[in-house]
Amino acid sequence: DTEVTQTPKHLVMGMTNKKSLKCEQHMGHRAMYWYKQKAKKPPELMFVYSYEKLSINESVPSRFSPECPNSSLLNLHLHALQPEDSALYLCASSQESTGDTEAFFGQGTRLTVV
Amino acid sequence: GQSLEQPSEVTAVEGAIVQINCTYQTSGFYGLSWYQQHDGGAPTFLSYNALDGLEETGRFSSFLSRSDSYGYLLLQELQMKDSASYFCAVRDIASNYQLIWGAGTKLIIKP
Repeated sequence: DTEVTQTPKHLVMGMTNKKSLKCEQHMGHRAMYWYKQKAKKPPELMFVYSYEKLSINESVPSRFSPECPNSSLLNLHLHALQPEDSALYLCASSQESTGDTEAFFGQGTRLTVV
Repeated sequence: GQSLEQPSEVTAVEGAIVQINCTYQTSGFYGLSWYQQHDGGAPTFLSYNALDGLEETGRFSSFLSRSDSYGYLLLQELQMKDSASYFCAVRDIASNYQLIWGAGTKLIIKP
């Protein structure tokens, strides 16, 4: 199984809503990531978890809150988002968070904030 | 600072060969990766070069010259399904080994 599964695939939320994005992998990877991608741009790193601990937070606003309940699951809790937060949110995993390890990406959640 | 440059768009003909170049500027280079992303899809890993030379995987090859801070992705026997965006990305010690991405090259293939 070389899949990273993300749910939901699409999400529309209002600026006062609270929602969560979910990500799951069963490859035994110890590093998991959240990326944000705008149209025609490269992925932009948001958070890195290594061995279930947050190791990197790329100065992401607190309205985005990551959580890693166990080694296979990664959540991204959303609250009070802005329309400019509309984007494709990608989860990825790799063997380790450093070194020459291939990153496997999920299909993403396309988020629209209205 | 860290930066990568790759062409924004490349056009080629089905069955032909195309090369996508990537030059980079980093303070602590660790390796060069290439990812493919179809419209509406997820990035998919294609190749990784840590040492100088050519790595071949089927129709795709990737080359690295660390002394020139340069690499390229070579796609042979182009197929329509190869139409996608291609990103080069480097791992840099200064970015805690996290991927630093180029802006992407949109490859358009014509019949």
